Amino acid sequence: TQLLEQSPQFLSIQEGENLTVYCNSSSVFSSLQWYRQEPGEGPVLLVTVVTGGEVKKLKRLTFQFGDARKDSSLHITAAQPGDTGLYLCAGARGNYGQNFVFGPGTRLSVLP
Amino acid sequence: KAGVTQTPRYLIKTRGQQVTLSCSPISGHRSVSWYQQTPGQGLQFLFEYFSETQRNKGNFPGRFSGRQFSNSRSEMNVSTLELGDSALYLCASTLVPAGGTDTQYFGPGTRLTVL
Repeated sequence: TQLLEQSPQFLSIQEGENLTVYCNSSSVFSSLQWYRQEPGEGPVLLVTVVTGGEVKKLKRLTFQFGDARKDSSLHITAAQPGDTGLYLCAGARGNYGQNFVFGPGTRLSVLP
Repeated sequence: KAGVTQTPRYLIKTRGQQVTLSCSPISGHRSVSWYQQTPGQGLQFLFEYFSETQRNKGNFPGRFSGRQFSNSRSEMNVSTLELGDSALYLCASTLVPAGGTDTQYFGPGTRLTVL
């Protein structure tokens, strides 16, 4: 059972465009994380959001956690080719130990 | 500080064989988690070890097992390999295994191909 859905599955845009990707679930998570994974490498953590309604900014990336802690969005302003990669969201199940469920990912391609 | 290392990086096995993968966490990290990543199922949680004990376990058959040593290094073993076990196996280490807000640092993974 896939607890986290991500949309769109694929996204190809031109350099300089803005984009938003979504992570949705019917479950409530204690926290939610966003990762970027590049080919041949493991995922790298971008941000962790904990509080419902929380907004975090990381340079051109803006992350938002839904009020009910069931969904999240990632907005990229003025995308660059270096933003290309697989964007994964992961929800923490429970508060004991590292037990995460990952979404299927959004594969982003930014063309120069 | 060295990152998470996984060995081997690539592995080819045949059906029915068994395989052992190794993960060395970041120095000082005591929690090690294992994930399987496939194009069809994405990233799926296998299990987590902390202080040589398995603390969490995902929904994988008993053919998948693991262990952690006193120096926090971890191994995972897959017995009686099946074609569907072909995947990228990722290891992640965490400094403070207190809850879901801790940062997981992933290794580069071991690419297992089962023929």
